[in-house]
Amino acid sequence: LAKTTQPISMDSYEGQEVNITCSHNNIATNDYITWYQQFPSQGPRFIIQGYKTKVTNEVASLFIPADRKSSTLSLPRVSLSDTAVYYCLVGFSGGYNKLIFGAGTRLAVHP
Amino acid sequence: EAQVTQNPRYLITVTGKKLTVTCSQNMNHEYMSWYRQDPGLGLRQIYYSMNVEVTDKGDVPEGYKVSRKEKRNFPLILESPSPNQTSLYFCASSFEGITGGHGELFFGEGSRLTVL
Repeated sequence: LAKTTQPISMDSYEGQEVNITCSHNNIATNDYITWYQQFPSQGPRFIIQGYKTKVTNEVASLFIPADRKSSTLSLPRVSLSDTAVYYCLVGFSGGYNKLIFGAGTRLAVHP
Repeated sequence: EAQVTQNPRYLITVTGKKLTVTCSQNMNHEYMSWYRQDPGLGLRQIYYSMNVEVTDKGDVPEGYKVSRKEKRNFPLILESPSPNQTSLYFCASSFEGITGGHGELFFGEGSRLTVL
């Protein structure tokens, strides 16, 4: 089972781009990488998912190198409302088994 | 509105008094799971269910039971709660994602449990 490692915390300022990297050295061939965002007193919510190379949606981009042993969530031009905990999750379809969440990265965006 | 509903949201109980936290989803999802969240430890999976009558242990199943008699419901049962089960609990559901990549997990709002 892939274990993930993320930085415990990060600080940024409004308008900057933030990149959060997740390490998953033991990722399996069928595993996908998913990122979730969590605000205090709320359940996590889906941000983005990818398998390889680059995926982009309206809120974030996900970069996955060829060896897939890490991934980087990129948040463009963050605002105060992006202050949250971000989780990297590695898992696969057709048998979720134990979906392993990392300990999360606490992002603080300052004015 | 698509949602995952947990009850109760807050509960204070005493050691040994059996309790059940209910979870219900209205999205016809096959997959449901329970997590506990503790400071510094992130989200840890307790149990998961691939479909009705199919359940399996996650990372931290000790002291918990689950059942999946209906597709929409996945209750978490603490037969004899202990103080180390004081935590914030989340239920989540998703489609099975058979086309590749597990489906987006939809989480409930959480149930904060305190065992004295």
